[in-house]
Amino acid sequence: GAVVSQHPSWVICKSGTSVKIECRSLDFQATTMFWYRQFPKQSLMLMATSNEGSKATYEQGVEKDKFLINHASLTLSTLTVTSAHPEDSSFYICSAIDAFGMSYEQYFGPGTRLTVT
Amino acid sequence: AQSVTQLGSHVSVSEGALVLLRCNYSSSVPPYLFWYVQYPNQGLQLLLKYTTGATLVKGINGFEAEFKKSETSFHLTKPSAHMSDAAEYFCAVEGAGNMLTFGGGTRLMVKP
Repeated sequence: GAVVSQHPSWVICKSGTSVKIECRSLDFQATTMFWYRQFPKQSLMLMATSNEGSKATYEQGVEKDKFLINHASLTLSTLTVTSAHPEDSSFYICSAIDAFGMSYEQYFGPGTRLTVT
Repeated sequence: AQSVTQLGSHVSVSEGALVLLRCNYSSSVPPYLFWYVQYPNQGLQLLLKYTTGATLVKGINGFEAEFKKSETSFHLTKPSAHMSDAAEYFCAVEGAGNMLTFGGGTRLMVKP
């Protein structure tokens, strides 16, 4: 149980285009999902907290107009990188918390590698 | 605010040797602490966690960690390294709103 999927697993896009990444909780409902970014050989940095039915909370330094987050259902959150640039190339990882679980453990998705050319 | 420091960005051990990955934390409240493992191009897998109770926590794949409040440490150990243990390991502390703060990570290399 407690599986989180991400789609796509990797994507290449041209500079200036937008890319949408999906994060799904497959066997549980998640009122809260988190989006992280990981640059090569670095740690995970929290970008934003996504709450179902409300606006996302962005960490300091993360442009909310560039990284659009939508959490429209209890099993799906999306991250859209708008007007992507090469510096946005990174590994994006989401995690989700089981809304009805006994713990508040975060379950992580497998990640999406974005390459902007 | 929480912070996590992992001493040693790279650790190399021989197969069968003891694995010791160091983690020190800073937290203004009693911490919830985690160790995750990440294989190349994959997400994070939880190895173990400490919330309350017994300070020695056993996880998957033979790993364990001990919470030492006096030393603000949560070091990860495994008695005998296996080639399959080669990966990136992250220590994390949980803060308000279930947000995790991660350490910089330690890459474990296992030599045959």
